[in-house]
Amino acid sequence: DVKVTQSSRYLVKRTGEKVFLECVQDMDHENMFWYRQDPGLGLRLIYFSYDVKMKEKGDIPEGYSVSREKKERFSLILESASTNQTSMYLCASGGIVQLETQYFGPGTRLLVL
Amino acid sequence: AQSVTQLGSHVSVSEGALVLLRCNYSSSVPPYLFWYVQYPNQGLQLLLKYTSAATLVKGINGFEAEFKKSETSFHLTKPSAHMSDAAEYFCAVTGMDSSYKLIFGSGTRLLVRP
Repeated sequence: DVKVTQSSRYLVKRTGEKVFLECVQDMDHENMFWYRQDPGLGLRLIYFSYDVKMKEKGDIPEGYSVSREKKERFSLILESASTNQTSMYLCASGGIVQLETQYFGPGTRLLVL
Repeated sequence: AQSVTQLGSHVSVSEGALVLLRCNYSSSVPPYLFWYVQYPNQGLQLLLKYTSAATLVKGINGFEAEFKKSETSFHLTKPSAHMSDAAEYFCAVTGMDSSYKLIFGSGTRLLVRP
């Protein structure tokens, strides 16, 4: 069975803290994605990676960075968390063919105080 | 740029009634279109996808969607709503640059009344 796991379901951090969100997939997918989900805005792409050590900015990369040292693992980093980064973060993975389904993790709900 | 519009942030139906969730897209090239569902406290799960093979696409849990190029629409339907269908539904289209990026609509929350 397809599996995308995220390191935490809920996180509470303080303004200015460095935050790591980790995602692991077990499907040997080349592509991995980080989205941010906010009410009324749907999902917005932060970054995606199409190979180990390769990354590309999405629509809202400001304030975020990513790391992909191994194929199965994709990390999202908030260098200095701010209150406007309070949100639900969803990780997804997918194959190289454009039609392939993206598989999503359960999400991490981050609250920045 | 490509975009997706979902009409109605909330749709409420009675159990057993028809479900119709609307999605319109803008694209200058043939798109690939997707419907995803998100149940409470879960990630997104694929319901169905349009890949140009057939305009009427059948998905899981009795849902289907019809691609209408003339109307640039990809509405999601189910003949008879079930309580378990209560969730948020997202329409998505692939990016114009033929990448793997999905562009999502803002979502429609489906409420099912007993």
